[in-house]
Amino acid sequence: GENVEQHPSTLSVQEGDSAVIKCTYSDSASNYFPWYKQELGKRPQLIIDIRSNVGEKKDQRIAVTLNKTAKHFSLHITETQPEDSAVYFCAASNSGGSNYKLTFGKGTLLTVNP
Amino acid sequence: GAVVSQHPSWVICKSGTSVKIECRSLDFQATTMFWYRQFPKQSLMLMATSNEGSKATYEQGVEKDKFLINHASLTLSTLTVTSAHPEDSSFYICSASTGGTYGYTFGSGTRLTVV
Repeated sequence: GENVEQHPSTLSVQEGDSAVIKCTYSDSASNYFPWYKQELGKRPQLIIDIRSNVGEKKDQRIAVTLNKTAKHFSLHITETQPEDSAVYFCAASNSGGSNYKLTFGKGTLLTVNP
Repeated sequence: GAVVSQHPSWVICKSGTSVKIECRSLDFQATTMFWYRQFPKQSLMLMATSNEGSKATYEQGVEKDKFLINHASLTLSTLTVTSAHPEDSSFYICSASTGGTYGYTFGSGTRLTVV
């Protein structure tokens, strides 16, 4: 089955700096890669996603890049703000398969210091 | 947008009792429902996948007789934790999908505490 590795497990940055979180996946059939932000006790919130036919996607301060050959994808947050502090999860699935379950990385605790 | 309502949001139960958690898709028909468990400071671990009208598929290591999943309609799936024990205390979250291409909508989660 799919295995998703996520690094780093914790990341501390100063307000205004950029943050980068990286993930690798093992199943070459995976074609959908969402990123979630989760605050304590809350549901995961989709912040951006990318499909395998695209190499990069951007939404304001958030961007995701995908390298299918190397099987890795990254989340980039620019101009970080204290409210960006949360746990971020990457995930992967084969969205066209018969069992399109999401496999999550272990998460990154991002702390943005004012 | 798509909304999944999950109830209860928290529950405390005595060891040995059973607890039922409901997830309803409010404005779409959920072909598939995924049930996750999340321990403190850990990731979401998939417990099982259920498709409407058929038996759930459980992940390795998840006891199907302990975690009963029913997906009787396209808008309702339930997870029943039977004979709950303190080690079952966790955050349980459902996620509904009409097909992977259309993404996944998460419920708000249920904090289960077994005393």
